[in-house]
Amino acid sequence: QLQLQESGPGLVKPSETLSLTCTVSGDSINSGNYYWGWIRQPPGKGLEWIGSIYYSGTTYYNPSLKSRVTISVDTSKNQFSLKLSSVTAADTAVYHCAKEGTAMSFDYWGQGTLVTVSS
Amino acid sequence: QSALTQPASVSGSPGQSITISCTGTSSDVGRYNFVSWYQYRPGKAPKLMIYGVTKRPSGVSNRFSGSKSANTASLTISGLQAEDEADYFCCSYAGTSTWVFGGGTKLTVL
Repeated sequence: QLQLQESGPGLVKPSETLSLTCTVSGDSINSGNYYWGWIRQPPGKGLEWIGSIYYSGTTYYNPSLKSRVTISVDTSKNQFSLKLSSVTAADTAVYHCAKEGTAMSFDYWGQGTLVTVSS
Repeated sequence: QSALTQPASVSGSPGQSITISCTGTSSDVGRYNFVSWYQYRPGKAPKLMIYGVTKRPSGVSNRFSGSKSANTASLTISGLQAEDEADYFCCSYAGTSTWVFGGGTKLTVL
């Protein structure tokens, strides 16, 4: 059974860079032609797709966040990571990592990690 | 890329049916048959309930069904049960390897 687990600091200061890692277990990131994505939910708001990385390393970002987002993959550790620079309070959210499945859906998700941006 | 529009809340009594709408544009919901629905409980991993507009993953109750007409997709839950109470989000592929989600709908089982 595929499992995803987010990890990283729960508190980040304004203007700094948020860094999270998603560790995949139960299968290899390289095992199929899948996207691996980051999705967030600010308090009281809807889900927002942040970006995705193809198993080959090609990345795709939400246009509204593109200038601040970097997603990378480390196949040797079976992990992929998110960096979001110049954060503000508006970036406070529960951050989820997920795997793309059939028909462009996300079939496996991590349970999420709350990141608060505050000084 | 604007968020898909969902009603903030819906409610129903046990045994009833409810429908949650998800309105997008001709660039996302209207263009692609790649609409998915997720059940979301705080602190838990979101659960895929419907993919490809109408398809159910293995293990999802057949009380859940999906449909689409033009730029609006819908999730219908029939035979409502207390365990269905949760937040539900829709998602559509929007082309060029991008996705857009809805604002979420809180389902209350009365």
